[in-house]
Amino acid sequence: GAGVSQSPSNKVTEKGKDVELRCDPISGHTALYWYRQSLGQGLEFLIYFQGNSAPDKSGLPSDRFSAERTGGSVSTLTIQRTQQEDSAVYLCASSFQGTKGDTQYFGPGTRLTVL
Amino acid sequence: QKEVEQNSGPLSVPEGAIASLNCTYSDRGSQSFFWYRQYSGKSPELIMSIYSNGDKEDGRFTAQLNKASQYVSLLIRDSQPSDSATYLCAVISRGNQFYFGTGTSLTVIP
Repeated sequence: GAGVSQSPSNKVTEKGKDVELRCDPISGHTALYWYRQSLGQGLEFLIYFQGNSAPDKSGLPSDRFSAERTGGSVSTLTIQRTQQEDSAVYLCASSFQGTKGDTQYFGPGTRLTVL
Repeated sequence: QKEVEQNSGPLSVPEGAIASLNCTYSDRGSQSFFWYRQYSGKSPELIMSIYSNGDKEDGRFTAQLNKASQYVSLLIRDSQPSDSATYLCAVISRGNQFYFGTGTSLTVIP
Protein backbone atom coordinates (compact mmCIF):
# COMPACT_ATOMS: atom_id res chain seq x y z
CA GLY A 1 0.00 0.00 0.00
CA ALA A 2 0.93 3.63 -0.29
CA GLY A 3 0.91 4.42 3.40
CA VAL A 4 1.40 2.96 6.84
CA SER A 5 -1.43 0.64 7.80
CA GLN A 6 -2.43 -0.55 11.23
CA SER A 7 -4.85 -3.14 12.47
CA PRO A 8 -7.23 -3.39 14.10
CA SER A 9 -8.52 0.17 13.94
CA ASN A 10 -10.36 -0.33 17.21
CA LYS A 11 -9.87 -2.88 19.95
CA VAL A 12 -11.96 -3.29 23.06
CA THR A 13 -10.68 -5.75 25.61
CA GLU A 14 -11.17 -6.70 29.21
CA LYS A 15 -8.68 -5.90 31.91
CA GLY A 16 -6.12 -8.67 32.22
CA LYS A 17 -6.32 -9.87 28.61
CA ASP A 18 -3.43 -9.74 26.17
CA VAL A 19 -3.67 -7.74 22.94
CA GLU A 20 -1.65 -7.59 19.74
CA LEU A 21 -1.51 -4.54 17.53
CA ARG A 22 -0.13 -4.73 14.03
CA CYS A 23 1.70 -2.22 11.87
CA ASP A 24 2.59 -2.46 8.19
CA PRO A 25 5.13 0.25 7.32
CA ILE A 26 5.61 1.89 3.96
CA SER A 27 7.48 -0.46 1.65
CA GLY A 28 11.19 0.24 1.70
CA HIS A 29 11.16 2.12 4.99
CA THR A 30 13.77 0.71 7.33
CA ALA A 31 12.75 2.58 10.47
CA LEU A 32 9.58 1.89 12.42
CA TYR A 33 8.29 3.63 15.53
CA TRP A 34 5.50 2.95 17.99
CA TYR A 35 3.88 5.76 19.96
CA ARG A 36 1.01 5.99 22.39
CA GLN A 37 -1.33 8.94 22.59
CA SER A 38 -3.76 9.26 25.43
CA LEU A 39 -6.80 11.51 25.14
CA GLY A 40 -5.72 15.13 24.86
CA GLN A 41 -2.06 14.26 25.30
CA GLY A 42 1.01 14.37 23.10
CA LEU A 43 2.80 11.44 21.58
CA GLU A 44 4.60 9.15 23.98
CA PHE A 45 7.47 7.28 22.36
CA LEU A 46 7.42 3.52 22.99
CA ILE A 47 9.91 1.70 20.79
CA TYR A 48 12.01 2.21 17.66
CA PHE A 49 13.28 -0.32 15.13
CA GLN A 50 16.02 0.53 12.66
CA GLY A 51 16.96 -2.12 10.13
CA ASN A 52 18.61 -5.10 11.77
CA SER A 53 19.84 -3.18 14.78
CA ALA A 54 18.67 -3.93 18.28
CA PRO A 55 15.49 -1.94 18.92
CA ASP A 56 15.42 1.10 21.19
CA LYS A 57 12.99 0.00 23.88
CA SER A 58 13.60 2.94 26.18
CA GLY A 59 10.02 4.18 25.96
CA LEU A 60 8.20 0.99 26.90
CA PRO A 61 6.31 1.81 30.13
CA SER A 62 6.50 -1.65 31.70
CA ASP A 63 7.54 -5.21 31.01
CA ARG A 64 3.96 -5.94 29.97
CA PHE A 65 4.78 -4.18 26.70
CA SER A 66 6.86 -5.80 23.98
CA ALA A 67 7.25 -5.46 20.25
CA GLU A 68 8.70 -7.43 17.41
CA ARG A 69 9.51 -6.63 13.84
CA THR A 70 9.70 -9.63 11.57
CA GLY A 71 11.70 -9.60 8.37
CA GLY A 72 12.39 -5.91 8.72
CA SER A 73 8.81 -5.07 7.79
CA VAL A 74 5.65 -5.82 9.77
CA SER A 75 5.70 -5.06 13.47
CA THR A 76 3.52 -6.31 16.29
CA LEU A 77 3.11 -4.52 19.60
CA THR A 78 1.95 -6.83 22.36
CA ILE A 79 0.47 -5.71 25.64
CA GLN A 80 0.09 -8.44 28.23
CA ARG A 81 -2.35 -8.35 31.13
CA THR A 82 -3.88 -5.10 29.94
CA GLN A 83 -4.79 -2.42 32.46
CA GLN A 84 -7.30 0.41 32.13
CA GLU A 85 -4.46 2.94 31.96
CA ASP A 86 -3.32 1.24 28.75
CA SER A 87 -6.36 2.69 26.99
CA ALA A 88 -5.05 5.03 24.31
CA VAL A 89 -4.47 5.35 20.60
CA TYR A 90 -1.40 3.44 19.53
CA LEU A 91 0.27 5.01 16.53
CA CYS A 92 2.86 3.46 14.29
CA ALA A 93 5.14 5.48 12.03
CA SER A 94 7.81 4.60 9.53
CA SER A 95 10.61 6.50 7.88
CA PHE A 96 13.05 5.75 5.10
CA GLN A 97 16.21 5.50 7.12
CA GLY A 98 15.49 6.74 10.62
CA THR A 99 18.38 9.16 10.45
CA LYS A 100 18.73 12.91 10.85
CA GLY A 101 16.24 14.77 8.76
CA ASP A 102 14.14 11.74 8.07
CA THR A 103 10.39 12.32 7.95
CA GLN A 104 8.05 10.00 9.80
CA TYR A 105 4.79 8.96 8.22
CA PHE A 106 2.05 7.89 10.56
CA GLY A 107 -0.53 5.17 10.29
CA PRO A 108 -4.17 5.71 11.26
CA GLY A 109 -3.66 4.26 14.70
CA THR A 110 -5.34 1.59 16.79
CA ARG A 111 -7.72 2.82 19.47
CA LEU A 112 -7.42 0.49 22.43
CA THR A 113 -10.06 0.50 25.14
CA VAL A 114 -9.52 -1.61 28.23
CA LEU A 115 -12.70 -2.14 30.23
CA GLN B 1 12.75 19.19 31.90
CA LYS B 2 10.92 17.85 28.88
CA GLU B 3 12.85 17.42 25.65
CA VAL B 4 10.29 19.48 23.72
CA GLU B 5 7.92 21.98 25.23
CA GLN B 6 4.93 23.71 23.72
CA ASN B 7 2.16 25.86 25.12
CA SER B 8 -0.89 23.63 25.17
CA GLY B 9 -3.21 26.49 24.32
CA PRO B 10 -5.89 26.64 23.25
CA LEU B 11 -4.90 29.38 20.88
CA SER B 12 -7.75 31.19 19.15
CA VAL B 13 -7.32 33.54 16.23
CA PRO B 14 -9.85 35.14 13.89
CA GLU B 15 -10.01 34.02 10.29
CA GLY B 16 -7.43 35.82 8.19
CA ALA B 17 -5.10 36.56 11.11
CA ILE B 18 -1.60 35.18 11.70
CA ALA B 19 -1.35 32.26 14.10
CA SER B 20 1.98 31.90 15.89
CA LEU B 21 2.92 28.57 17.45
CA ASN B 22 6.04 28.19 19.56
CA CYS B 23 8.26 25.35 20.67
CA THR B 24 11.45 25.07 22.71
CA TYR B 25 13.78 22.09 22.96
CA SER B 26 16.41 21.06 25.47
CA ASP B 27 19.06 19.21 23.44
CA ARG B 28 21.36 21.85 21.96
CA GLY B 29 22.75 19.24 19.58
CA SER B 30 19.40 18.69 17.87
CA GLN B 31 19.59 19.13 14.11
CA SER B 32 16.15 18.40 12.66
CA PHE B 33 12.86 20.02 13.49
CA PHE B 34 9.37 19.28 12.32
CA TRP B 35 5.85 20.60 12.63
CA TYR B 36 2.98 18.14 12.40
CA ARG B 37 -0.72 18.90 12.25
CA GLN B 38 -3.22 16.59 13.89
CA TYR B 39 -6.93 16.91 13.35
CA SER B 40 -9.16 15.55 16.07
CA GLY B 41 -9.34 11.79 15.84
CA LYS B 42 -6.75 11.63 13.07
CA SER B 43 -3.06 10.82 12.85
CA PRO B 44 -0.36 13.50 12.71
CA GLU B 45 0.65 14.69 9.25
CA LEU B 46 3.83 16.55 8.39
CA ILE B 47 3.51 20.24 7.54
CA MET B 48 7.05 21.58 7.62
CA SER B 49 10.59 20.50 8.31
CA ILE B 50 13.48 22.86 9.02
CA TYR B 51 17.16 22.16 9.61
CA SER B 52 18.95 25.53 9.35
CA ASN B 53 18.66 28.75 11.30
CA GLY B 54 16.28 31.25 9.81
CA ASP B 55 12.95 31.08 8.08
CA LYS B 56 11.52 28.51 5.72
CA GLU B 57 8.33 29.34 3.87
CA ASP B 58 5.83 27.01 2.24
CA GLY B 59 2.62 28.65 1.11
CA ARG B 60 0.86 30.15 4.11
CA PHE B 61 3.23 28.40 6.52
CA THR B 62 6.58 29.70 7.74
CA ALA B 63 8.83 27.78 10.08
CA GLN B 64 11.43 29.72 12.03
CA LEU B 65 14.45 28.17 13.73
CA ASN B 66 16.82 29.78 16.22
CA LYS B 67 19.31 27.20 17.44
CA ALA B 68 21.07 29.63 19.78
CA SER B 69 17.81 30.13 21.65
CA GLN B 70 16.71 26.52 21.10
CA TYR B 71 13.46 27.78 19.72
CA VAL B 72 11.37 26.83 16.71
CA SER B 73 8.10 28.40 15.66
CA LEU B 74 5.40 28.02 13.05
CA LEU B 75 3.53 30.97 11.59
CA ILE B 76 0.30 30.46 9.72
CA ARG B 77 -0.70 33.44 7.62
CA ASP B 78 -4.26 34.15 6.53
CA SER B 79 -5.53 31.53 8.98
CA GLN B 80 -8.51 29.51 7.81
CA PRO B 81 -11.07 27.55 9.84
CA SER B 82 -9.63 24.42 8.22
CA ASP B 83 -6.36 25.16 10.03
CA SER B 84 -8.09 24.41 13.34
CA ALA B 85 -6.16 21.44 14.72
CA THR B 86 -3.46 20.50 17.19
CA TYR B 87 0.05 21.33 16.05
CA LEU B 88 2.86 19.10 17.25
CA CYS B 89 6.49 20.16 17.33
CA ALA B 90 9.01 17.34 16.89
CA VAL B 91 12.77 17.31 17.23
CA ILE B 92 15.42 14.74 16.35
CA SER B 93 18.03 14.85 19.08
CA ARG B 94 21.75 14.27 18.60
CA GLY B 95 21.05 10.64 19.52
CA ASN B 96 18.68 10.28 16.56
CA GLN B 97 15.72 10.08 18.91
CA PHE B 98 12.41 11.64 17.89
CA TYR B 99 10.79 13.77 20.59
CA PHE B 100 7.33 15.26 20.25
CA GLY B 101 5.82 18.10 22.19
CA THR B 102 2.37 17.74 23.70
CA GLY B 103 0.91 19.96 21.00
CA THR B 104 -0.81 23.33 20.78
CA SER B 105 -4.51 23.42 20.02
CA LEU B 106 -5.41 26.08 17.47
CA THR B 107 -8.92 27.30 16.74
CA VAL B 108 -9.53 29.67 13.85
CA ILE B 109 -12.77 31.55 14.38
CA PRO B 110 -14.76 32.36 11.22
